Amino acid sequence: EVQLVESGGGLVQPGGSLRLSCAASGFTFDDYAMHWVRQTPEKGLEWVSGISWNSVYTGYADSVKGRFTISRDNAKNSLYLQMNSLRAEDTALYFCAKDHEQWFGSHIFDYWGQGIVVTVSS
Amino acid sequence: EIVLTQSPGTLSLSPGERATLSCRASQIVSSSYLAWYQQKPGQAPRLLIYGASSRATGIPDRFSGSGSGTDFTLTIGRLEPEDFAVYYCQQSGFSSYSFGQGTKLEIK
Repeated sequence: EVQLVESGGGLVQPGGSLRLSCAASGFTFDDYAMHWVRQTPEKGLEWVSGISWNSVYTGYADSVKGRFTISRDNAKNSLYLQMNSLRAEDTALYFCAKDHEQWFGSHIFDYWGQGIVVTVSS
Repeated sequence: EIVLTQSPGTLSLSPGERATLSCRASQIVSSSYLAWYQQKPGQAPRLLIYGASSRATGIPDRFSGSGSGTDFTLTIGRLEPEDFAVYYCQQSGFSSYSFGQGTKLEIK
């Protein structure tokens, strides 16, 4: 059974940093691209960032480019999102998601974690 | 940026009825790059359909997808009580990988 478990969320002040982690199990982690997707009541679902199986390719939404960094450790079956210079508009429920296709991915998400809340507020 | 517009915003139907949900794109989207998700309160989205018409693993055959170009449809053949949820379309052909705003399917 595929499981994705996020951790590392919480309350942070504007301008602060936070690192999200996602522990994966139940599939061959290093065969698949992985992603972060966030959700708010106001803006709905928004793809944030993705990374290929071998970390060669990474991508970011314009809204987070230059502030967020995605990475993975295939030896630990883990995905990460380093979030710097956080803004109030980054407040959201963040999901870790597995890509439907192997290797470089399709940006379609077939398994999701339960999500972790990030709140940016003073 | 490609925008996906879903309609209706809310659909009120009874169990056993047929549901038709629409997703319209602001630009042509290849059918290969259109997906549908279901989300229930307090849960993560679940992939239903990819490639516009292919069911994901474990999805019942009452769920079907169709469409091409800018107009796509999710049809639920005969509603079961567990189908009442919010449904999202998503495109994966353009780098924003954007989602629609959702259609809430509620019990009438």
